[in-house]
Amino acid sequence: AQRVTQPEKLLSVFKGAPVELKCNYSYSGSPELFWYVQYSRQRLQLLLRHISRESIKGFTADLNKGETSFHLKKPFAQEEDSAMYYCALRIPGKLIFGQGTTLQVKP
Amino acid sequence: DTAVSQTPKYLVTQMGNDKSIKCEQNLGHDTMYWYKQDSKKFLKIMFSYNNKELIINETVPNRFSPKSPDKAHLNLHINSLELGDSAVYFCASSQGMVGQPQHFGDGTRLSIL
Repeated sequence: AQRVTQPEKLLSVFKGAPVELKCNYSYSGSPELFWYVQYSRQRLQLLLRHISRESIKGFTADLNKGETSFHLKKPFAQEEDSAMYYCALRIPGKLIFGQGTTLQVKP
Repeated sequence: DTAVSQTPKYLVTQMGNDKSIKCEQNLGHDTMYWYKQDSKKFLKIMFSYNNKELIINETVPNRFSPKSPDKAHLNLHINSLELGDSAVYFCASSQGMVGQPQHFGDGTRLSIL
């Protein structure tokens, strides 16, 4: 069955520390993966997609098919990165979201 | 200039009532979605419509009935509300089918008393 797993419900780091939000997926086909972010009192928005291979707000994510992972990384966390992050897998017809990880960046 | 707007933002009602949530997008997208976010923040798709046609119905109770009068609107009507329906409901839209960047509304927080 197709599934997206984000093992950490909450990740708390200090400002300037590296951040890695974990995402693992289960899918037999060719995966297409995304990260969405929801800042406090704002709507959910697309952060990045693996096919773009881009860096947004300092975040990057690399698809590792061998480990079936799509972890989100940032070398130096900022307080404004505090938000809820969702990993999502596209399969024909729909997006499957992970459970979400709350990132808390402390000053 | 809101891209995807939902009304109402908050909805508090009694068990057994019938209620509707409206969604409109002004992005010219042809696909719209409803998601449910439960108390644990788990986000799950309920329905998707493409050009007013139902594409996905994710084993949602038939008390939930989406209606798409045109491409820019996807309303959600819920009959006989139950306690378990308490959640935040998000509307979203995208151009083309799933996989294109989805634009989300602010959500409607439904609380059943």
